Amino acid sequence: RKEVEQDPGPFNVPEGATVAFNCTYSNSASQSFFWYRQDCRKEPKLLMSVYSSGNEDGRFTAQLNRASQYISLLIRDSKLSDSATYLCVVNFQNLYNQGGKLIFGQGTELSVKP
Amino acid sequence: EAGVAQSPRYKIIEKRQSVAFWCNPISGHATLYWYQQILGQGPKLLIQFQNNGVVDDSQLPKDRFSAERLKGVDSTLKIQPAKLEDSAVYLCASTKDRGVEKLFFGSGTQLSVL
Repeated sequence: RKEVEQDPGPFNVPEGATVAFNCTYSNSASQSFFWYRQDCRKEPKLLMSVYSSGNEDGRFTAQLNRASQYISLLIRDSKLSDSATYLCVVNFQNLYNQGGKLIFGQGTELSVKP
Repeated sequence: EAGVAQSPRYKIIEKRQSVAFWCNPISGHATLYWYQQILGQGPKLLIQFQNNGVVDDSQLPKDRFSAERLKGVDSTLKIQPAKLEDSAVYLCASTKDRGVEKLFFGSGTQLSVL
């Protein structure tokens, strides 16, 4: 099983659509979770952190389900500028690396069409 | 504030040749990461440094890859000898400390092995 696994893409949606991305992780000891965005030929950038209670930032909502080891990202009212690859990131901690290491999923590509 | 600097931006070599990448993290950032990103995949962690010590190198192919961060500041990643499957973007990232959520990435080095 992959450490962090995301929905395979690509997702092709019209402007204004709502789209949801899912991610599962294997390490039940993980404490920190994030969504990063990566534009074509650019480096990844932090989009938002994912908190246990769920969190919202404008059109973006992130949810965490620890019992199922599952994270989601919902984008409402999609814009053309949302077209990018969305990467699920989990901080894996263990006895040898107590600060953790940030493990990326394979990414889900989103293409928003006019 | 200056960002993470990487060089070179592009490198083309033939298989079995050697190559080295350089990274200068943001001033004061103790944790430095090297990621490998193959086209269409998420970044894969190769090695994580805390100051000048290695915290995690479990995914580094040690028969051909090596990395160092001698003075706890800048870092080099070397491949010797290169294989075709090493073609990828090599991303350097830094954070103030372990467990900090926001990775600051450099622009990456795109390596093509022919």
